[in-house]
Amino acid sequence: GAVVSQHPSWVICKSGTSVKIECRSLDFQATTMFWYRQFPKQSLMLMATSNEGSKATYEQGVEKDKFLINHASLTLSTLTVTSAHPEDSSFYICSARDWLAGDTQETQYFGPGTRLLVL
Amino acid sequence: AQSVSQHNHHVILSEAASLELGCNYSYGGTVNLFWYVQYPGQHLQLLLKYFSGDPLVKGIKGFEAEFIKSKFSFNLRKPSVQWSDTAEYFCAVITYGGATNKLIFGTGTLLAVQP
Repeated sequence: GAVVSQHPSWVICKSGTSVKIECRSLDFQATTMFWYRQFPKQSLMLMATSNEGSKATYEQGVEKDKFLINHASLTLSTLTVTSAHPEDSSFYICSARDWLAGDTQETQYFGPGTRLLVL
Repeated sequence: AQSVSQHNHHVILSEAASLELGCNYSYGGTVNLFWYVQYPGQHLQLLLKYFSGDPLVKGIKGFEAEFIKSKFSFNLRKPSVQWSDTAEYFCAVITYGGATNKLIFGTGTLLAVQP
């Protein structure tokens, strides 16, 4: 199956600093990638949709100025958590959309996630 | 709004027992249906998916799921579980017809298989 990587796998930072997380589709091109956040013992919550060459679409309640998304190429999307605070500590997961056929058959392949701890 | 519900939050089974995890969604239009699995300490992996055609789909590791359109259900089954199936299982749905097509997850079912 399609492979999606994330880097780094974990990061610890001080409050007030910015952290960049990379998401790459390794063996397919993805015009659309997604960023999720997973809280302990909960399901994934979609934060934003990252579109190659255009602005990201953020879900309600997600601060676009805090979570900057850049999708500069068909295989790379980045999420930057700006001025991180302890409440931003979480598990961030990206996925990349792979189309099978037409516009109603798609599969999302997930990266391994990045665990962020803000002290 | 579209939603996905998984009926069981925790399931504990002995090895060789049969498994059925329930999943229901709320949307009357075109859907793509998925089951993902997350093994301890690992990332989400696609178990199986349904787009169209035969409503009984087979996935990896002996899992299968049946799409019953009239019941808005997509239950996951395995006739005989193994200890290595211990993981969290997520049902997910993509709906088409609205402004955006998003993957909506259920809350997950944690399966523990006792050896």
